[in-house]
Amino acid sequence: AQSVTQPDIHITVSEGASLELRCNYSYGATPYLFWYVQSPGQGLQLLLKYFSGDTLVQGIKGFEAEFKRSQSSFNLRKPSVHWSDAAEYFCAVGPGGDYGGATNKLIFGTGTLLAVQP
Amino acid sequence: SAVISQKPSRDICQRGTSLTIQCQVDSQVTMMFWYRQQPGQSLTLIATANQGSEATYESGFVIDKFPISRPNLTFSTLTVSNMSPEDSSIYLCSVLGEGSGYTFGSGTRLTVV
Repeated sequence: AQSVTQPDIHITVSEGASLELRCNYSYGATPYLFWYVQSPGQGLQLLLKYFSGDTLVQGIKGFEAEFKRSQSSFNLRKPSVHWSDAAEYFCAVGPGGDYGGATNKLIFGTGTLLAVQP
Repeated sequence: SAVISQKPSRDICQRGTSLTIQCQVDSQVTMMFWYRQQPGQSLTLIATANQGSEATYESGFVIDKFPISRPNLTFSTLTVSNMSPEDSSIYLCSVLGEGSGYTFGSGTRLTVV
């Protein structure tokens, strides 16, 4: 079955500390992987995506993520967290190379709520 | 990536009424999607809006409750019909653009009283 697991429901870090948000997926085909951020009352903003190639991808706002096929993981990292990073983060998986077919939907994890302490 | 304008941004509606949410994209896109995010939950796909044909609904969602229109490649609407408090959610439209990136609208926060 296709699924995305974000094991950490809620994380609190101090401002300036490093951050890692975990994401594991189960997908039958080659996946495309995404991280989105949602601020309170807002829609989703794409942080970064992985399609192929270099397994370390850089995104906006200083975020990066590393795709590890052997571990079925796509963890999000940031070396120094800012107070404005407090939000909910969603990992998602979509079909790689199947656009135009019947399975174009994104499957989302349950999200990780990040709180930043001053 | 595509820019999506979704409206209304929020609404408070009486139970038994209907609300139509609009999604306008600044470029032509083949794939448009509607998601629901219930309070404290993740996103669940309601349906894929197909241009020129009926929408394709996910399990648990039916056309009578969530009718969708897709008159052209830049516009779609989702109607939430005969609303109940359980329909209180954020509804988001999404498009699949070039480069296989999914872009989301800013969402419609619906409260049913």
